[in-house]
Amino acid sequence: DAKTTQPPSMDCAEGRAANLPCNHSTISGNEYVYWYRQIHSQGPQYIIHGLKNNETNEMASLIITEDRKSSTLILPHATLRDTAVYYCIVLPLMDSNYQLIWGAGTKLIIKP
Amino acid sequence: KAGVTQTPRYLIKTRGQQVTLSCSPISGHRSVSWYQQTPGQGLQFLFEYFSETQRNKGNFPGRFSGRQFSNSRSEMNVSTLELGDSALYLCASSLRGRYTEAFFGQGTRLTVV
Repeated sequence: DAKTTQPPSMDCAEGRAANLPCNHSTISGNEYVYWYRQIHSQGPQYIIHGLKNNETNEMASLIITEDRKSSTLILPHATLRDTAVYYCIVLPLMDSNYQLIWGAGTKLIIKP
Repeated sequence: KAGVTQTPRYLIKTRGQQVTLSCSPISGHRSVSWYQQTPGQGLQFLFEYFSETQRNKGNFPGRFSGRQFSNSRSEMNVSTLELGDSALYLCASSLRGRYTEAFFGQGTRLTVV
């Protein structure tokens, strides 16, 4: 089973901030939270990752709760091109025996 | 720089046949991972190669195998194809392995009839 739980779908108005939640209550101390997205008919695209501090890059911001049991990916000004399935996954950065398990993700629909 | 290239993009095979898929990673990337994506099972990890060695393997039968060459290019082979092997096969490359900024190819759409 996936180690993360995400809502199956969300809508967001174009130009507004899209906030995608992810629950990872069983996360271990050495596991990072990664976010990817997959636009229809394309391979997944890396967005951002973090361990315990909030992270920001040119695509998004990642807010991780202090207990690390959940996180939120924020797309500050959503555009129609942000419509995609967003995956939140956790994995250890240095463990060579990890199992990579992807959940069903959140289908984000940006509406004009 | 050039992205991850997967060939072919589309493939139709008959049950019982075998198939080989190819992945050329981004120049300088030493890790190549393979995934199977189906509507019912989602994205599932097949295996990862790093510097020509299989470093990790998912829960797939032995019909699924792979290898990596000295130039980091990787191939995936599926023998004795079954209808259930119809899927999008994705390859990802990264500099050091794991998921740190892994870059995915467009995938190979395999249809088994």
